[in-house]
Amino acid sequence: EADIYQTPRYLVIGTGKKITLECSQTMGHDKMYWYQQDPGMELHLIHYSYGVNSTEKGDLSSESTVSRIRTEHFPLTLESARPSHTSQYLCASSEQLNTEAFFGQGTRLTVV
Amino acid sequence: QKEVEQNSGPLSVPEGAIASLNCTYSDRGSQSFFWYRQYSGKSPELIMFIYSNGDKEDGRFTAQLNKASQYVSLLIRDSQPSDSATYLCAVNFGNEKLTFGTGTRLTIIP
Repeated sequence: EADIYQTPRYLVIGTGKKITLECSQTMGHDKMYWYQQDPGMELHLIHYSYGVNSTEKGDLSSESTVSRIRTEHFPLTLESARPSHTSQYLCASSEQLNTEAFFGQGTRLTVV
Repeated sequence: QKEVEQNSGPLSVPEGAIASLNCTYSDRGSQSFFWYRQYSGKSPELIMFIYSNGDKEDGRFTAQLNKASQYVSLLIRDSQPSDSATYLCAVNFGNEKLTFGTGTRLTIIP
């Protein structure tokens, strides 16, 4: 069983608020990823990291930012939430780039 | 542009039958291939991975890889209603990050 955790599971927040979605893994994986997924739609990679102090933009442009100060922790921040940010955000990690990725349970964000 | 393509479905299969899910990809240098299952509102979970040409079996699931034809498939034998989900194909192109297909929605009809 994968040990990757996301908090909160659900978040309803007002427009303009700053939010941070937490993601932690206890597997010692160097590679971590953030995906965005709308209901019934495909996964879109928005950020990834090769390791500590490494962050890269994904395939889908996002107004969010990420940081990787510790191996186990990869938080995602939205400085000013908007209704267009309403979506499910999925964090994942993998031991290597070419090995399987394990997903957290996701954070369902609603901006009102 | 590297691509992973799947038929979005929905694919409807009677209970007890074999469900066949297909995925094609565009790059011959691809190294590793993965099938994930995603229930509605949940996160993807890994079902199988395959690296070499041929078949790989795990219980009711069989992954088939044909690198020359650039396709990978997933067969589900004795389909159960609990198999109803979206199945995501993911490909690693030459030691880069995983690229996911759009997924195929499978419905098992009791």
